[in-house]
Amino acid sequence: NAGVTQTPKFQVLKTGQSMTLQCAQDMNHEYMSWYRQDPGMGLRLIHYSVGAGITDQGEVPNGYNVSRSTTEDFPLRLLSAAPSQTSVYFCASSYSTGGLDGYTFGSGTRLTVV
Amino acid sequence: GDSVTQMEGPVTLSEEAFLTINCTYTATGYPSLFWYVQYPGEGLQLLLKATKADDKGSNKGFEATYRKETTSFHLEKGSVQVSDSAVYFCALVGSGGSYIPTFGRGTSLIVHP
Repeated sequence: NAGVTQTPKFQVLKTGQSMTLQCAQDMNHEYMSWYRQDPGMGLRLIHYSVGAGITDQGEVPNGYNVSRSTTEDFPLRLLSAAPSQTSVYFCASSYSTGGLDGYTFGSGTRLTVV
Repeated sequence: GDSVTQMEGPVTLSEEAFLTINCTYTATGYPSLFWYVQYPGEGLQLLLKATKADDKGSNKGFEATYRKETTSFHLEKGSVQVSDSAVYFCALVGSGGSYIPTFGRGTSLIVHP
């Protein structure tokens, strides 16, 4: 049972480049979300999904797109990378909406935009 | 809106010392409360939870009691180990129907031998 798998673990991008951060879970969780973690800022919600075909914006959605075509996968796309998007990105999933039974987190993607 | 306030760190302790990390919250109704732990270079892991007033969550020697009257959910451990060094996050999920969780900013714990 792999849990939540994020790829890549590390990435360096140049300003203006685009990329997709991958997230996959094998627990049949309906609820998935993306957070970014910055020093002193805690976790900030970027986008979330309550099931396949349904996504919504979180606290800091600008510059990011998501889609949820299957229950298992929830990729995060950076459209045109900016230095302000340098951060650690975490994908999380939960059996119940909003994590009432707790979240399972991936190990993170450390992104640097130069 | 909902909010979670944690004590600022880092908290520095010697091995076998008693640990308290304070967490207070603001929310309408009866939220569910959580503590997560993040070890260096890893994602967050659920440590314990409580879903109603006066419930006590416990795991791996850590405990926290849901206090509705003081809107608090303080994390405690009687004797910390070096391996407990990590960042601890308090979180809530509100009962208002949005189900979007709110996290505190995290408290770093450093335990010295």
